[in-house]
Amino acid sequence: GQNIDQPTEMTATEGAIVQINCTYQTSGFNGLFWYQQHAGEAPTFLSYNVLDGLEEKGRFSSFLSRSKGYSYLLLKELQMKDSASYLCAVRDSNYQLIWGAGTKLIIKP
Amino acid sequence: IAGITQAPTSQILAAGRRMTLRCTQDMRHNAMYWYRQDLGLGLRLIHYSNTAGTTGKGEVPDGYSVSRANTDDFPLTLASAVPSQTSVYFCATSPTGIDEQFFGPGTRLTVL
Repeated sequence: GQNIDQPTEMTATEGAIVQINCTYQTSGFNGLFWYQQHAGEAPTFLSYNVLDGLEEKGRFSSFLSRSKGYSYLLLKELQMKDSASYLCAVRDSNYQLIWGAGTKLIIKP
Repeated sequence: IAGITQAPTSQILAAGRRMTLRCTQDMRHNAMYWYRQDLGLGLRLIHYSNTAGTTGKGEVPDGYSVSRANTDDFPLTLASAVPSQTSVYFCATSPTGIDEQFFGPGTRLTVL
C-alpha cells in the first residue's frame, strides 16, 4: 500500500526554527510537494523536490532523500502567521498525488 | 473570475438527495481534480481529468461522478448523498498534470 507519515502536531516558538519530517512508501516516485494550509482555507504550494538535496526558498527549505523515503520542511525565523498545517504529498507512478494527513504547527510567542 | 471558484461555499443536504458541486477555472489549466478532506486524513482524490473530454477515477470514486465538457468546468455530482460524504471538497487544477496543483476555496458539505 501507499503511505505518507507526518507528525500530527508540533509546537515552536516565534523566531525559532522548526523541522517537519515526512516519510513515504509509494508505488513509484515522481516528486514530493509541500503545501501550507491555514485553518479553513485551501492548501497553497510551498516547495517541490524531485532530486536529492536541499531546495531553499526564503525562510522555507525542503530536503529530499529518495533512498530513505524521507523529506523534511525547515522553517526559519518563525512568525505567528506560520501557524498552519503543512501537508506532504508524493507523486506516484501514475502521476497522482498521495497526501499525508498534515502536521499542525502551533507557534507560541 | 480570478483563478478557481467553487460553489456553493457550504451546503447542508438531506441524505438521498442529489447534489452537484461546481468548479470553474479561468487559468486554462488542462488538468483538474476533486479531493475530499476529512479530519485526521490526508486529501483523498475522488476523480480527475487530464484534459477536456477525459476523466478518471481516483482513490475514493464510489458515489461520485464527474464530467469535463470543456476546459473551464469540472462539476462533481453526488447521485444520492449519504452521511459518510460529509466532508470538505476541494477542486484543484494543474497546468499540465505534472506541475504543482492550485486549489479552489473548497465546499463544506454536510449530509444529514
